[in-house]
Amino acid sequence: DIQMTQSPSTLSASVGDRVTITCRASQSISTWLAWYQQKPGKAPKLLIYKASSLQSGVPSRFSGSGSGTEFTLTISSLQPDDFATYYCQQSGSTFGQGTKVEI
Amino acid sequence: QVQLVQSGAEVKKPGSSVKVSCKASGGTFSNYAISWVRQAPGQGLEWMGAIIPIFGTPNYAQRLQGRVTITTDESTSTAYMELSSLRSDDTAVYYCARGVAPSPIYGFDPWGQGTLVTVSS
Repeated sequence: DIQMTQSPSTLSASVGDRVTITCRASQSISTWLAWYQQKPGKAPKLLIYKASSLQSGVPSRFSGSGSGTEFTLTISSLQPDDFATYYCQQSGSTFGQGTKVEI
Repeated sequence: QVQLVQSGAEVKKPGSSVKVSCKASGGTFSNYAISWVRQAPGQGLEWMGAIIPIFGTPNYAQRLQGRVTITTDESTSTAYMELSSLRSDDTAVYYCARGVAPSPIYGFDPWGQGTLVTVSS
């Protein structure tokens, strides 16, 4: 099974900060990587699919990059609504363990 | 706009089974994969399995193989996830989600609202 490792597990940041979250796959997954945002008590929300494609309706401050085994999610200027937990997912199956973005 | 509506919360005894439903409305059902994901209290997301209704052959996470069964009823645009031999560590919120594209490999959107399954004696 392909394992997904996110770092960091927790990230402390302020409004306006540029934030980067990394996701590493245990073997190459080409660009079959998605990123989700989840807030407490809510279902996850798709942000990015195929590593770098922005899902419709998602603000342009979110971007994704990478291929093979290393991927990043970047929030260019953190907004109050962005404090949440972020997950990567490979090929529609395994999820990373999550990164909590907190104040 | 596709919406997924799941069945209500369940309380089950250890060793029993639970079946959660996920009804789709507002879009195409048969050609898009439906996946199931669970989240134990305070924990991360765990992919359980997926099915493309028009093909009917499910794909399951290895660690749940033998205990999970995913099916669909195209006549009612409803997907089902049944988990058997329940244990206390199966207590979780169970989500269904549709592929953003026909293949689930692209990711999931939309998601159902989640169904809390509590396993307790």
